[in-house]
Amino acid sequence: EAQVTQNPRYLITVTGKKLTVTCSQNMNHEYMSWYRQDPGLGLRQIYYSMNVEVTDKGDVPEGYKVSRKEKRNFPLILESPSPNQTSLYFCASYRQGYGYTFGSGTRLTVV
Amino acid sequence: EDQVTQSPEALRLQEGESSSLNCSYTVSGLRGLFWYRQDPGKGPEFLFTLYSAGEEKEKERLKATLTKKESFLHITAPKPEDSATYLCAVQAGGATNKLIFGTGTLLAVQP
Repeated sequence: EAQVTQNPRYLITVTGKKLTVTCSQNMNHEYMSWYRQDPGLGLRQIYYSMNVEVTDKGDVPEGYKVSRKEKRNFPLILESPSPNQTSLYFCASYRQGYGYTFGSGTRLTVV
Repeated sequence: EDQVTQSPEALRLQEGESSSLNCSYTVSGLRGLFWYRQDPGKGPEFLFTLYSAGEEKEKERLKATLTKKESFLHITAPKPEDSATYLCAVQAGGATNKLIFGTGTLLAVQP
């Protein structure tokens, strides 16, 4: 089954404690992206990757890092999380003509 | 600035009561307009992609249409299982493949 897998689904952490949210896709898509979803603001792009070793900032990149060492994996790293990063996060992969496939989401709470 | 506005924010229908959701957009060089369904706590699920004004697509009780300034998602004789948040997104011109999302319409269908 074609899918995007994120882990963990839920995460509660404390301010300043580094964390990584993993994302993996099995569709051999070159393009992957991270979004965050907040009430009243909709989904906003954090970072994207056009291919292995090629990443770039989206609309809200502050406080986040990403890496793309393999085509299938695109982890999201929060080096020093803050409460304003409490949100619902989605990883997605894309191929032209086939559209976007989203993961099930990671609900992050930073206290 | 590229922007997507969805209306209404929330809609309550009786089972069998047809209606339409609106998505108006301003974008430089539309590459595609996407409709997604999102259930609580889950990732957006792809419904349709529309590429040019006049295009229409159907899937079960849903029909999406596109003009140069807006898209409509028509729901015919809805059932309670159609209850969800419906998201509209546009993909602008350029190489980023970014989706710009509206904030969604929360649809509740009562039996």
